[in-house]
Amino acid sequence: DAGVIQSPRHEVTEMGQEVTLRCKPISGHNSLFWYRQTMMRGLELLIYFNNNVPIDDSGMPEDRFSAKMPNASFSTLKIQPSEPRDSAVYFCASTHRTGTSHYEQFFGPGTRLTVL
Amino acid sequence: AQTVTQSQPEMSVQEAETVTLSCTYDTSESDYYLFWYKQPPSRQMILVIRQEAYKQQNATENRFSVNFQKAAKSFSLKISDSQLGDAAMYFCAYVGGSNYKLTFGKGTLLTVNP
Repeated sequence: DAGVIQSPRHEVTEMGQEVTLRCKPISGHNSLFWYRQTMMRGLELLIYFNNNVPIDDSGMPEDRFSAKMPNASFSTLKIQPSEPRDSAVYFCASTHRTGTSHYEQFFGPGTRLTVL
Repeated sequence: AQTVTQSQPEMSVQEAETVTLSCTYDTSESDYYLFWYKQPPSRQMILVIRQEAYKQQNATENRFSVNFQKAAKSFSLKISDSQLGDAAMYFCAYVGGSNYKLTFGKGTLLTVNP
């Protein structure tokens, strides 16, 4: 079975450019998460979708960041304009939630973003 | 707010030996789940083991086992017969109650010496 798919795996861009990261969750999962990992701050939750609806975007750093989930099999995280401090590894994860049951989140391979 | 603390930034173990990684957490919830994730140099986050708080029995997955002390809010990971492939960053994580956010510790970097 395919796991969580992220693209691109690596992205190098210049400051001010728009960056779009893509994620395909595991089929049948109804919850999707975007995380950012840096040495300084560790793993941070950016945004959480449940049944394609954004539930909590309080972790999104600022208005330059936006995320969408147009359907159950696709999500994007966009940074516009990008800045050097956005350089990090961005993970997408998915899980299936029912009620208060918590199952492990399955992570994609991550996108390493470098903003010059 | 829930917090997860991993007090060992780095650990090392000899191949074939046993090592224990520590994790403590703080919560007021009674229903929660705890996880250990492994992140090798490939940076892929891999679930190692999962423990439900309502279960008294410690979870075990092959060479990996946990010591779950609910009263002490402690959740340590024991790796037996360590292998070179176990070398990675290990993250302890918590999710609980009606919440959905995984709260991660800062991680422990495990080195396995041949």
